[in-house]
Amino acid sequence: KNEVEQSPQNLTAQEGEFITINCSYSVGISALHWLQQHPGGGIVSLFMLSSGKKKHGRLIATINIQEKHSSLHITASHPRDSAVYICAVLRGNTDKLIFGTGTRLQVFP
Amino acid sequence: KAGVTQTPRYLIKTRGQQVTLSCSPISGHRSVSWYQQTPGQGLQFLFEYFSETQRNKGNFPGRFSGRQFSNSRSEMNVSTLELGDSALYLCASSLWSGTYANTGELFFGEGSRLTVL
Repeated sequence: KNEVEQSPQNLTAQEGEFITINCSYSVGISALHWLQQHPGGGIVSLFMLSSGKKKHGRLIATINIQEKHSSLHITASHPRDSAVYICAVLRGNTDKLIFGTGTRLQVFP
Repeated sequence: KAGVTQTPRYLIKTRGQQVTLSCSPISGHRSVSWYQQTPGQGLQFLFEYFSETQRNKGNFPGRFSGRQFSNSRSEMNVSTLELGDSALYLCASSLWSGTYANTGELFFGEGSRLTVL
């Protein structure tokens, strides 16, 4: 079983829909990253969380340390949000990142 | 402010050869980490350098090595290339103050896409 699991693997949405991507992990962590990867490979860091909730524009990320779960929400989705979203956890006391397999999001106009 | 620069962007090698990839971090960033991305295994951590010292290493064979220079630029080397080494190799830099929880946001380069024939 992977130490970091994401769901769903693939997601399609109509423009304007509210999107939720989930990440569950089974190891102790010191932080969790949400990353966005567009076709061509470039990765952008969206959030780094160790507790609570963060918001940036239409993106919201939450983490529940006790339940070992994080969610990434996109409000009012737009075709330019189409990308692969990757959850990565920083394993506690090792500073090694462990990646989820990613969620491929396609938003249609 | 210039981003993370990786060179070369694309390269083709044959089995048995060796390859060196370069990563120039954002100015002022002292931590550089390397990752391998393949369709089968996804993203995997290779190693991380801070102030010219390797702090962490992932589960890769000894054919994969790296180093960091005094100006924080980093190189990774893969010797005796195998077909399975074909991948996108990404590096990321961060301001690392001693604990990741403080200033651990990662800034990624565009990657070096290696094809081994």
